[in-house]
Amino acid sequence: QVQLHESGPGRMKSSETLSLICAVSGYSISSGYYWGWIRQAPGKGLECIGSMSHSGHTYYSPSLESRVTISLDTSKNQFSLKLTSVTAADTAMYYCARGYGGDSLGTFDIWGQGTMVSVSS
Amino acid sequence: EIVMTQSPGTLSLSPGERATLSCRASQSLSRSSLVWYQQKPGQAPRLLIYSVSSRATGIPDRFSGSGSGTEFTLTISRLDPEDFAVYYCQQYGSSPWTFGQGTTVEIK
Repeated sequence: QVQLHESGPGRMKSSETLSLICAVSGYSISSGYYWGWIRQAPGKGLECIGSMSHSGHTYYSPSLESRVTISLDTSKNQFSLKLTSVTAADTAMYYCARGYGGDSLGTFDIWGQGTMVSVSS
Repeated sequence: EIVMTQSPGTLSLSPGERATLSCRASQSLSRSSLVWYQQKPGQAPRLLIYSVSSRATGIPDRFSGSGSGTEFTLTISRLDPEDFAVYYCQQYGSSPWTFGQGTTVEIK
């Protein structure tokens, strides 16, 4: 059974760099699929941040691309999100997820439980 | 950016009834690039339908998706008590991938 589990700082201050880790069990991330991040601000809808394939192909949301880096650590079977220069607008629940490739690129079939990140000034 | 608009905002129904949820795209979607997710309070979204009409693994056949172009529908043939939740559509045919604002299916 494939499972994903996010970890992160919880609280941070404006202008800092957010770093999140998603640990994957039950599947080797180097074997296939895309690995992505989606966020949900309190009481709001969902926003795709980006995803990376096992072969290094990336998709980033244009509105976040200048601040986002997603990377895979196959030795630890985990992947990460870095988001620079955070503001209160980046306060959200951050989910990691496994994504389809090919014609269904952008579909996320298995999600972690999420980690809440709160940014204060 | 393609804007996804879901209607109604809230659907009040009883268990056993049929639910019809709509999702409209501001531009015609390329390929069959639409998915539906279900989200319950305090939980992560769950993939229900991908490529407009394909059920994800383990999803009961009371869930079905249809549509093309700019108009898409998620139908739940007979509501089970566990189906009361928020439902989101998402398009991935054009960057940025975007979600609708959600439809809440609540118990009447």
